Amino acid sequence: SQQGEEDPQALSIQEGENATMNCSYKTSINNLQWYRQNSGRGLVHLILIRSNEREKHSGRLRVTLDTSKKSSSLLITASRAADTASYFCATGQAAGNKLTFGGGTRVLVKP
Amino acid sequence: DAGVIQSPRHEVTEMGQEVTLRCKPISGHNSLFWYRQTMMRGLELLIYFNNNVPIDDSGMPEDRFSAKMPNASFSTLKIQPSEPRDSAVYFCASSSSSNQPQHFGDGTRLSIL
Repeated sequence: SQQGEEDPQALSIQEGENATMNCSYKTSINNLQWYRQNSGRGLVHLILIRSNEREKHSGRLRVTLDTSKKSSSLLITASRAADTASYFCATGQAAGNKLTFGGGTRVLVKP
Repeated sequence: DAGVIQSPRHEVTEMGQEVTLRCKPISGHNSLFWYRQTMMRGLELLIYFNNNVPIDDSGMPEDRFSAKMPNASFSTLKIQPSEPRDSAVYFCASSSSSNQPQHFGDGTRLSIL
């Protein structure tokens, strides 16, 4: 079963709007990562947030982590058509270095 | 930086045939991961290696699947014999150390007829 579950499964917005997607997980984590996947390509790492961090920024991306609720959110501000992709959260446990990926959120940004 | 290189990009073969997927990780990365992605099951970890040693192969679906990493710059995932339900996109990823970001190749799209 997936450790991370994204919500919503799909999102359609206009260029310039913000896109928010959420990730929930079940067990304790060492870190949580967000990845983007364009059609026909491999996943690309966007941002990593550690379990002792609450918020992190990278360009137009903002990630929050609430370990008490076992949830994270990814906000893309001022979206562009090029942001159209699937976005995945992945959790890393303390032991070992494997990640468990969620099912992803498909984001469509209309020009 | 060449990134993770996978070959072939596409493979179409008949059921019962042996399939070998190849991966070259990023130089200096000591962890390598094989994933399978399908619409029904999403992205599944099949096996991962640390320093060329298999650490966790609990995701390998059956004995028909095997993976090797003979050296730090090369890994193979083999399916023998292949079945139609093995059709998927197979990704290889590498990372520099524990809990670091993973770098993915562009995958092998496998179709078993």
